[in-house]
Amino acid sequence: GAVVSQHPSRVICKSGTSVKIECRSLDFQATTMFWYRQFPKQSLMLMATSNEGSKATYEQGVEKDKFLINHASLTLSTLTVTSAHPEDSSFYICSVSTGYQETQYFGPGTRLLVL
Amino acid sequence: SQQGEEDPQALSIQEGENATMNCSYKTSINNLQWYRQNSGRGLVHLILIRSNEREKHSGRLRVTLDTSKKSSSLLITASRAADTASYFCATMNSGYSTLTFGKGTMLLVSP
Repeated sequence: GAVVSQHPSRVICKSGTSVKIECRSLDFQATTMFWYRQFPKQSLMLMATSNEGSKATYEQGVEKDKFLINHASLTLSTLTVTSAHPEDSSFYICSVSTGYQETQYFGPGTRLLVL
Repeated sequence: SQQGEEDPQALSIQEGENATMNCSYKTSINNLQWYRQNSGRGLVHLILIRSNEREKHSGRLRVTLDTSKKSSSLLITASRAADTASYFCATMNSGYSTLTFGKGTMLLVSP
């Protein structure tokens, strides 16, 4: 399967600052990347789907102006949490696929703590 | 929105025993997948079963799918301490678009 990395693995920031999380597909041309959020002891909730070169599709209830997604190449997508607040503290996980591929390959996740 | 619902929420067994987890879903699916997540880590894909399949095996894993009952089960045989993790089912609709995850089962295998 594909090898997916995320950077940083964990980040602590002050309330009001913006945080950028990178998701890289190291050996796989990912036409589609997904961003999930996972609160402690809960399931993964899909935030958005991004296709290379086009705007991301956000799930209902996810603010697109707060969670900026850029999928500039087939190997890199970024999620920027703008003006982060403590309630944005969570585990953010990306995954990649070729769009019509049935299996998604997941990154190791980024733990965000907003103080 | 949540689709899959796993039960039990938590399962504690001894090494060598079998572990069975169940997943129910609500809408029509193209396939159902099981993933494992070690604490604080990403997900690892375990097995995929399509809507026209009833049973699938992979090593010590056995997955069943009953589309009439909209349910699936994951059986891990001869469990090991290294199997300790959270297990999630996820469904994919006919559009091959997105995965919808269940709430997961936390499995603890004691030596």
